[in-house]
Amino acid sequence: GQNIDQPTEMTATEGAIVQINCTYQTSGFNGLFWYQQHAGEAPTFLSYNVLDGLEEKGRFSSFLSRSKGYSYLLLKELQMKDSASYLCAVRDRGYGQNFVFGPGTRLSVLP
Amino acid sequence: DAGVTQSPTHLIKTRGQQVTLRCSPISGHKSVSWYQQVLGQGPQFIFQYYEKEERGRGNFPDRFSARQFPNYSSELNVNALLLGDSALYLCASNSGQSGNQPQHFGDGTRLSIL
Repeated sequence: GQNIDQPTEMTATEGAIVQINCTYQTSGFNGLFWYQQHAGEAPTFLSYNVLDGLEEKGRFSSFLSRSKGYSYLLLKELQMKDSASYLCAVRDRGYGQNFVFGPGTRLSVLP
Repeated sequence: DAGVTQSPTHLIKTRGQQVTLRCSPISGHKSVSWYQQVLGQGPQFIFQYYEKEERGRGNFPDRFSARQFPNYSSELNVNALLLGDSALYLCASNSGQSGNQPQHFGDGTRLSIL
C-alpha cells in the first residue's frame, strides 16, 4: 500500500531552524517532492530529491534516504511568512506516475 | 506566462446534483492531474491524463469521471453529489511523465455540498 507520514503540527520561533520529517512506504519510487501550501492557496513546489543526499536551495534544504524511506525538509532563518503547511509527496513508478501526498505538516512561526 | 487556471473558483451544490470543474494547464504541458483536498489533509489523487488518455486513477467511486481535450485542457465531472464531496479540487499540470518535473497546481475549485 501507499503510506506517507508527517507530524501534524510544529511550532518554531522567527530566525530559528526547523526540520520537518517525512517517512514513506510506497509501491514504487521515482522521486520525493516537498510543497508549501498557505491557507486557502494552491501548493507551490519547493524541492525535489531522487538520489540519496542533501539538496540545498537558499533557506530550504531537503534530504533523502531511500533505504530508510525517509526525508526531511530543513528551513533556516525562519520568517513569519514561512507559516504554512508543508506537504511531502512521493512520485511512484506506476503507469500514471502518480503523486502520493502526505497529510501535511502545519508550521507556525512565532515572533 | 499564465499558470494553471481553474474554474469556477467556488461552487455550491446540493446533494444528488452533478458538477463539472474545468482546468487549463500551463502552455506546453500535456499532463493534467486532479486531486481532492479535504480541509486539514493532503491532496488525494483522483485522475491523471496525458495526451488525452487516462494514465492513472485513484481510489474514488465511479461517480467521478474526467476527460482531456485536444488542447490539453481537462474537465472533472462528479455525479450524484454527496456531502462528503465537499472539498478543494486541485488541478495540476506538468510537461510529461518522466524526469524531475514537479506538478504545478492551480488555485483550485472550492466545492460545497449542502
